[in-house]
Amino acid sequence: QKEVEQDPGPLSVPEGAIVSLNCTYSNSAFQYFMWYRQYSRKGPELLMYTYSSGNKEDGRFTAQVDKSSKYISLFIRDSQPSDSATYLCAMTLSGNTPLVFGKGTRLSVIA
Amino acid sequence: GAGVSQTPSNKVTEKGKYVELRCDPISGHTALYWYRQSLGQGPEFLIYFQGTGAADDSGLPNDRFFAVRPEGSVSTLKIQRTERGDSAVYLCASRLGRDDSPLHFGNGTRLTVT
Repeated sequence: QKEVEQDPGPLSVPEGAIVSLNCTYSNSAFQYFMWYRQYSRKGPELLMYTYSSGNKEDGRFTAQVDKSSKYISLFIRDSQPSDSATYLCAMTLSGNTPLVFGKGTRLSVIA
Repeated sequence: GAGVSQTPSNKVTEKGKYVELRCDPISGHTALYWYRQSLGQGPEFLIYFQGTGAADDSGLPNDRFFAVRPEGSVSTLKIQRTERGDSAVYLCASRLGRDDSPLHFGNGTRLTVT
């Protein structure tokens, strides 16, 4: 079992839909949780950064962390074609320890 | 300000050759990381520097891989006797040394070993 599991998709949704992306993990010691967006032939770009459990909202994006279930989610409201990318979840034990990534979910938002 | 810069953006080399990949972190970022990303996979950790020293090199796959950061800024990832299985995108990332500071990535070097 990999430390971080993420469904690779692909996921295709119509413009304006609410998108739900999620990851599960096995190491209960993870404390910091991130979502990165990666466009083709580009590096990962940080979208959301959360410490421990709870919700965080930034514009159309909401990140949720449920440490009791070892489950994290990213919601995208009013999805746009420009949201089409691969979304990577990542997590780490402490600030300096290396991030562990999921495989990424490829999302297509169709106009 | 400028982000993490990686050069070259693409590198094609023959099996058995030596390659060097360069990373310029964001100014003031003391921590620097190298990751490798294969097609359809998430980035996998290789090595992490805090300042000039390698704080964790547990992700380096074997002794053909080596990285340096002699002045605590620019870093070079060196691969000896390249193999076709080394083909991947090599990503560099940097962050401030604070515990709550996030990681910022460059666009990577796409290495192809023929």
